[in-house]
Amino acid sequence: DTGVSQDPRHKITKRGQNVTFRCDPISEHNRLYWYRQTLGQGPEFLTYFQNEAQLEKSRLLSDRFSAERPKGSFSTLEIQRTEQGDSAMYLCAPGPEAPGANVLTFGAGSRLTVL
Amino acid sequence: KNEVEQSPQNLTAQEGEFITINCSYSVGISALHWLQQHPGGGIVSLFMLSSGKKKHGRLIATINIQEKHSSLHITASHPRDSAVYICAVRQGGSEKLVFGKGTKLTVNP
Repeated sequence: DTGVSQDPRHKITKRGQNVTFRCDPISEHNRLYWYRQTLGQGPEFLTYFQNEAQLEKSRLLSDRFSAERPKGSFSTLEIQRTEQGDSAMYLCAPGPEAPGANVLTFGAGSRLTVL
Repeated sequence: KNEVEQSPQNLTAQEGEFITINCSYSVGISALHWLQQHPGGGIVSLFMLSSGKKKHGRLIATINIQEKHSSLHITASHPRDSAVYICAVRQGGSEKLVFGKGTKLTVNP
């Protein structure tokens, strides 16, 4: 149990379709991060939230990507007009509560395949 | 050049061998993390280091801030240690983690 639920675990879609991923931390966390991991690579930072506020966005997050955390608990990541290059694992990571915190927690991820 | 470089990219060992995975970084950091990722599985946090050395069971992690280098050691390796090991650094003054590409370890019985 990672303490984080991500849904769906795997999404296969056709190019041009919109997809939405959801992240539900089991316990309360002020911070929540989204990362993307492509095959054979380490994760890459996409964006992070402090409560409801989206405080930092990577240049990887094009205008086709939008993330929300409306109530400061769960978060969604939407990709519009998907492209084959969007195929990746999308990882959600709640916390850590402070930059010096010892443990990082990641969800199992949502794998996107764009045909 | 990536800000975080890991070596080797792939490592195959026999059960019982001593394993070393290296991580070098080029930016100022506030912390360095070692993570483990099993095939199809999530990422598990192993260590967070800002200085010195930490040990947990058969795993040992060290960091040299001056040389911008960290190592992860596994003593008496076992097939269940087979996984991808990822080094990640938190840049000073940033919330962002920068990850290495990972080292794929295979331990054969």
